[in-house]
Amino acid sequence: GAGVSQSPSNKVTEKGKDVELRCDPISGHTALYWYRQSLGQGLEFLIYFQGNSAPDKSGLPSDRFSAERTGGSVSTLTIQRTQQEDSAVYLCASSLERGGGRHGKLFFGSGTQLSVL
Amino acid sequence: GEDVEQSLFLSVREGDSSVINCTYTDSSSTYLYWYKQEPGAGLQLLTYIFSNMDMKQDQRLTVLLNKKDKHLSLRIADTQTGDSAIYFCAESIDGQNFVFGPGTRLSVLP
Repeated sequence: GAGVSQSPSNKVTEKGKDVELRCDPISGHTALYWYRQSLGQGLEFLIYFQGNSAPDKSGLPSDRFSAERTGGSVSTLTIQRTQQEDSAVYLCASSLERGGGRHGKLFFGSGTQLSVL
Repeated sequence: GEDVEQSLFLSVREGDSSVINCTYTDSSSTYLYWYKQEPGAGLQLLTYIFSNMDMKQDQRLTVLLNKKDKHLSLRIADTQTGDSAIYFCAESIDGQNFVFGPGTRLSVLP
C-alpha cells in the first residue's frame, strides 16, 4: 500500500471488554513499532518487531497488552479487559530495515483512537 | 533514563518565524529528529540531524544542535497557517530505539 494503514480509526468500547487494533505496514518494511499517545503526553513506546527476531516487548504497560505480527507483515495489538486509562491514540509505525535504515526514518499510520467508557 | 523535554504550546503570527525548542538528556544520542503531526494524522518526519552536525537547513526549516547543552531547535521561517500542528522532537542512540518528547502544539495566528 501507499502508507501504513491502521484500523479501526476509532474504537469505543466498554470497560472490561477486549479490543484488537490492526496495523498494515508499508510493503517490504521489516521493522514495526507500536506507540501509545495520550493527551498531552509524548509517544510511549509499546513494542517493536524486527523481521523474524523476538519482539522487544519492554514497553508493554501490563500483561493485558499483547501484540502479534503474522508473516512479517500485519500486526495486531490486543488489549484485554480494557480500563479507562487505556483510552489513547495507538500509533503504528514501520521502517524499511532495522533502525529505519541509516537515518532512522519511521513511517506512521494515522492511529486508532481508543475510548474506553 | 532518557528523557526529552519540550514546551507544550507556541503561538506565532503568520509570516513570523517560529522556534521550537527541545532538550534531551542522553549525551550518547546519535540521531535527533523533528516530526510533525497534523490533526487526525500520524507523525511525519520533517527533518533529522546527526549528532556530529551543528546545523541543517532545508528550505524554510533550520535545525540547530547544541550538543554541549543537549539542546535542539527547529526554526520555521515565514510560518504559514498550514504549519499549525504538533511538532515532536525525538532522539535515538542507534536509529532503532527512539525517545519522543511530549510535542509542541504550534498555533499560527492570522
